[in-house]
Amino acid sequence: SQQGEEDPQALSIQEGENATMNCSYKTSINNLQWYRQNSGRGLVHLILIRSNEREKHSGRLRVTLDTSKKSSSLLITASRAADTASYFCATKSSGSRLTFGEGTQLTVNP
Amino acid sequence: NAGVTQTPKFRVLKTGQSMTLLCAQDMNHEYMYWYRQDPGMGLRLIHYSVGEGTTAKGEVPDGYNVSRLKKQNFLLGLESAAPSQTSVYFCASSYVLVGALQETQYFGPGTRLLVL
Repeated sequence: SQQGEEDPQALSIQEGENATMNCSYKTSINNLQWYRQNSGRGLVHLILIRSNEREKHSGRLRVTLDTSKKSSSLLITASRAADTASYFCATKSSGSRLTFGEGTQLTVNP
Repeated sequence: NAGVTQTPKFRVLKTGQSMTLLCAQDMNHEYMYWYRQDPGMGLRLIHYSVGEGTTAKGEVPDGYNVSRLKKQNFLLGLESAAPSQTSVYFCASSYVLVGALQETQYFGPGTRLLVL
């Protein structure tokens, strides 16, 4: 069963706008990771946030983690057409392997 | 540095046929994984390995077997393919940090399998 659930399932925005995707999970985690998948390609790791961290930045990416609500959000600022992809959250809990959600399909229109 | 590579990229099988998917990584990673990705179901773990000579079942292991005879290679076998195994298969690998639970994974480009 999937641990993480992304919301929304699909998101369409204009270039230059910000994109926000959310991930909710059910059990306690050690860390939460976000991956990107371009069409027809494998997943690429974007960013990892540990359970004792609340916010993390990497370039145009900002990830937040609220362990009390068991949720995370990924914000992509000033989006570009090249950001069009599926985005997956993945959770890591003790004693289990990384578990992926079903993904959010982001479309950035030029 | 090729990272994670998968062979073949695409294959068509008839029901009942067998095949082996090959995954290779050149990053000296300890852990390797096989996933399948189906529309609306995200990634599901089939089998994984935490080191040379070891394998373990994931979420959906039935109908698949794996072997990790060499650290850099992880093979996924389908002994008798079924239409339900039509999917895109991804291999991944990750390093291990002693005392850490990071498990950041590096993915191959995928193998598209169609079982008729």
